Amino acid sequence: DAGVIQSPRHEVTEMGQEVTLRCKPISGHDYLFWYRQTMMRGLELLIYFNNNVPIDDSGMPEDRFSAKMPNASFSTLKIQPSEPRDSAVYFCASSFLARGKEKLFFGSGTQLSVL
Amino acid sequence: KNQVEQSPQSLIILEGKNCTLQCNYTVSPFSNLRWYKQDTGRGPVSLTIMTFSENTKSNGRYTATLDADTKQSSLHITASQLSDSASYICVVSSDRGSTLGRLYFGRGTQLTVWP
Repeated sequence: DAGVIQSPRHEVTEMGQEVTLRCKPISGHDYLFWYRQTMMRGLELLIYFNNNVPIDDSGMPEDRFSAKMPNASFSTLKIQPSEPRDSAVYFCASSFLARGKEKLFFGSGTQLSVL
Repeated sequence: KNQVEQSPQSLIILEGKNCTLQCNYTVSPFSNLRWYKQDTGRGPVSLTIMTFSENTKSNGRYTATLDADTKQSSLHITASQLSDSASYICVVSSDRGSTLGRLYFGRGTQLTVWP
């Protein structure tokens, strides 16, 4: 299994531009999570999906952020317009139910720099 | 307030030595506690998962302990290797159900192993 696949690995953009991050979860996993990691705040949950349906998006910082999961094998996180304070590493993770001990499998992340 | 505090923030040890990382939490109700290892430029990888009924769990040279009464956990690394250099993140789940939507992350301990 290739694990959770994220693209791009690095993204550098200018303030005001639209940014789209992509994620392919592990096949068979029915939960997908988007996290953001910064030095100041550590890992923060942005949104998660169950069976392609958004369950909790309370961590999405503002309306500039949106996430979709059109099918079980693909999800996107979009920032429009981007701002310098959005600079962070964005992780996608997936899991499957396992009697309360679900393992989270993380991708390698997208390093986003907004200039 | 649900919080996870880790100490020390950073640690440097010599190869072959043992070390212990600490995690204190105030998350309630408690479901399980996880330790993750995050190599530089990679996503976190699960080391151990413990429920309230488990007070110790090993994964190779890694041994995690849990005291649910005092709400403390430790991660002991035996005979450290250069490849152990990473950030170690303590994560506490507050739901007794199966959702992973309520995970509380510590800020991590950055471990550096010197030859």
